[in-house]
Amino acid sequence: GIQVEQSPPDLILQEGANSTLRCNFSDSVNNLQWFHQNPWGQLINLFYIPSGTKQNGRLSATTVATERYSLLYISSSQTTDSGVYFCAVEGRRGSEKLVFGKGTKLTVNP
Amino acid sequence: GAGVSQTPSNKVTEKGKYVELRCDPISGHTALYWYRQSLGQGPEFLIYFQGTGAADDSGLPNDRFFAVRPEGSVSTLKIQRTERGDSAVYLCASSLDRLGSGANVLTFGAGSRLTVL
Repeated sequence: GIQVEQSPPDLILQEGANSTLRCNFSDSVNNLQWFHQNPWGQLINLFYIPSGTKQNGRLSATTVATERYSLLYISSSQTTDSGVYFCAVEGRRGSEKLVFGKGTKLTVNP
Repeated sequence: GAGVSQTPSNKVTEKGKYVELRCDPISGHTALYWYRQSLGQGPEFLIYFQGTGAADDSGLPNDRFFAVRPEGSVSTLKIQRTERGDSAVYLCASSLDRLGSGANVLTFGAGSRLTVL
């Protein structure tokens, strides 16, 4: 099946810093989503982005499908951004399930 | 409902016992997914329902695990003869329609934490 690799595995920032999280995937994708899992375990969808670029406030994401990677940008980070960020992809058309990476654990210190 | 509801939020049981975990998806969502998440790992797919039918159960680890969605809404994940290795957070998610049909995103519940002693 499709493989999803995220980097870095851990990231520690000072409040106000910017960061880039990367997701590489091994095959063509039909669906790609970024999630944030807060310290209480709740997974929140951030973006649906199988290709192109989207922005939502301080967050933006870019997927270059032909090169099989996606990037999540966090600008002016806040302590509430802490948690684990997951990239999840649906592989070959019709698989109908998202395969998750292992995540990037982000800690934002005040 | 407004979100995906999962009960119980925590379940502690003894090895060998039977457990049921319940998921109430967002009203009108036809697709429902169960995932399992172990500490430090990403969610791992278990089973996908489209309506009442299990369209893909390839992620269920063995025949001790079974899930139903009899009326196309609420789903129950059933685990027989629990083992210590079953301890994890079981996550349920729903989406308006199948992933491949368009810009369908998954909305997750808060999860059910299962601990098998």
